[in-house]
Amino acid sequence: KAGVTQTPRYLIKTRGQQVTLSCSPISGHRSVSWYQQTPGQGLQFLFEYFSETQRNKGNFPGRFSGRQFSNSRSEMNVSTLELGDSALYLCASSLSLAGETQYFGPGTRLLVL
Amino acid sequence: AQSVAQPEDQVNVAEGNPLTVKCTYSVSGNPYLFWYVQYPNRGLQFLLKYITGDNLVKGSYGFEAEFNKSQTSFHLKKPSALVSDSALYFCAVRVPGTYKYIFGTGTRLKVLA
Repeated sequence: KAGVTQTPRYLIKTRGQQVTLSCSPISGHRSVSWYQQTPGQGLQFLFEYFSETQRNKGNFPGRFSGRQFSNSRSEMNVSTLELGDSALYLCASSLSLAGETQYFGPGTRLLVL
Repeated sequence: AQSVAQPEDQVNVAEGNPLTVKCTYSVSGNPYLFWYVQYPNRGLQFLLKYITGDNLVKGSYGFEAEFNKSQTSFHLKKPSALVSDSALYFCAVRVPGTYKYIFGTGTRLKVLA
């Protein structure tokens, strides 16, 4: 089975712009979660989608949003980028059963200048 | 507040020696516990998980973890470290009754030849 894929892998944007990141989960996985990883804050949960519905949300401002499509692919969008949004954004998929393991993609590294 | 603590930012161990990476958690109920490893410029890879049953869980690459309910700990162990084990290790907890994961801040393991 192919793993979780994320596109693009690297991105450079300037402050004030917006960005859209994409995640394709493992085939058959219906849950997709997004995380932000920075050296200072570690791994922070952004949100989780299941069957096109947001099921959980972390403590991030409204500039961060996401969605999930009927094929379970997910996108996250960050509007009005700030320097502090520079991070590695990780996507993880799971079957969404209780106790199920999350499988992570390689991440998208975003640099905001 | 619910949390996961990895008290050591870095652990150094000589190749061939046993290693331990510590994790404690503060979550009500019976959480599911996970260990992940991250190599440079990669996403997180699943190592092992505890849901219920035997307190000693065996995982990938010779790693194991011991669940201790009274101490609310889930330390990662390996009897004989390899240089290739050098990486960033994350402990994670799935909050009971939710699909939300909380990650520790990570411990960098350095195995010295």
